[in-house]
Amino acid sequence: DSGVTQTPKHLITATGQRVTLRCSPRSGDLSVYWYQQSLDQGLQFLIQYYNGEERAKGNILERFSAQQFPDLHSELNLSSLELGDSALYFCASSVDAGTGADTQYFGPGTRLTVL
Amino acid sequence: QKEVEQDPGPLSVPEGAIVSLNCTYSNSAFQYFMWYRQYSRKGPELLMYTYSSGNKEDGRFTAQVDKSSKYISLFIRDSQPSDSATYLCAMRENTDKLIFGTGTRLQVFP
Repeated sequence: DSGVTQTPKHLITATGQRVTLRCSPRSGDLSVYWYQQSLDQGLQFLIQYYNGEERAKGNILERFSAQQFPDLHSELNLSSLELGDSALYFCASSVDAGTGADTQYFGPGTRLTVL
Repeated sequence: QKEVEQDPGPLSVPEGAIVSLNCTYSNSAFQYFMWYRQYSRKGPELLMYTYSSGNKEDGRFTAQVDKSSKYISLFIRDSQPSDSATYLCAMRENTDKLIFGTGTRLQVFP
C-alpha cells in the first residue's frame, strides 16, 4: 500500500457527462500528480500541483481540469466526456517538488468507462 | 519517435531464469531513472531508483544506466511467478515530470 488513496475505484458514465476523481496524497506529501493510462498511449502525465498551486502541465485536454485543496487532497474534473477518455487515471504524490531525489508514489487508480 | 522506447513484450520465462528488461531514450537531459512494477489493475509500484549512470542492486533486482548509450536495464535474478507483472521504465530531467515507457509485460511460469 503506497499510502495514496483514490476514489472511486470504478466509474461508468455516458458521453457528454462530467465526472470528478479524487485523490488523497501520502501524509506529508505536498505534490500531487495526475496520469492517464490507456492501452495505446501508456502512462501519460497530465498535471502536477504543489501545495495548492499548479506546477506543471502535460498532455491535459482543455476539457480536463484539476485543483488541490488546502488539506492537500486533489480532484481531477473531466467534462464533455468522449469514448476515448475511457482509461485508468492515476494519482501520485511526492514529498517535494524540484528536488532531485524526489520519488512519486502511485495510488490504485480510478477506472473510467465512457459509454 | 517517442522519448522513451520500451519493448512491450510479452516476455515469458521459466521460474529461476534471469530476466533482462530494457529501455532506450532520446533526451540526453534525463538524469533520474526509475523502474516501476505494475500488477494487473493496480497502480505502479516503485522498484528501483537511479541517479545518472551506474549500477544499483536491491536483492534480486539490479538496475543499470548507461547515459552514453541512452540505455537503461533492469535485471531480475532467480525470477519467481510473483514477478509476473508489467515493468515500466520512467525517467526525468531535473524536474518532476516523469516520462514513462509503454511497459514490458513479464510472465514467469512455474
